[in-house]
Amino acid sequence: DAGITQSPRHKVTETGTPVTLRCHQTENHRYMYWYRQDPGHGLRLIHYSYGVKDTDKGEVSDGYSVSRSKTEDFLLTLESATSSQTSVYFCAISSQAGAINEQFFGPGTRLTVL
Amino acid sequence: KQEVTQIPAALSVPEGENLVLNCSFTDSAIYNLQWFRQDPGKGLTSLLLIQSSQREQTSGRLNASLDKSSGRSTLYIAASQPGDSATYLCAVGGRNYQLIWGAGTKLIIKP
Repeated sequence: DAGITQSPRHKVTETGTPVTLRCHQTENHRYMYWYRQDPGHGLRLIHYSYGVKDTDKGEVSDGYSVSRSKTEDFLLTLESATSSQTSVYFCAISSQAGAINEQFFGPGTRLTVL
Repeated sequence: KQEVTQIPAALSVPEGENLVLNCSFTDSAIYNLQWFRQDPGKGLTSLLLIQSSQREQTSGRLNASLDKSSGRSTLYIAASQPGDSATYLCAVGGRNYQLIWGAGTKLIIKP
């Protein structure tokens, strides 16, 4: 299995609080991705990174920010959590751009915003 | 805008049957198509990756086909087993190097 961990694995928070999710990889892959998964929607890309300090927006980036200060870590921040951000969040990595090569996924973080 | 659809949303079959899962997409200009498996409460595992120039890929009891002109892919599972029970997702890689995902088919194999 690809070395990808996510923390925390579960979190319950209140509306308006900041939340940061962490993705850590040991594969030294260049590309990292944050997705959210909601019933009936499949996975939707939030943000992705193509190198240290290089990030770009995905399909559903509003309300989220990311940072990547090291190859192995990719952080997803919800500045002020809302109930619509209750979801399961997955981190993924790939050695090449996502549509060209396989992506490997972390175990996910279940976030509940009350 | 690329849209990916998987029908049916859920499927239940007896153990031992051969089955086909479907994935359709609206824009034929794709780089590749991938099939993933997701077990409850867990991440996603890549099963098969078909490049746009290929027609099919095989891995064990799994065979995935791709027909770009019709915007369709199928995942064939031979001799199904209870351990095959999971949600199967397809994802299409397009021009902007991003993956567009279907909502998945939840498969239940009854012993």
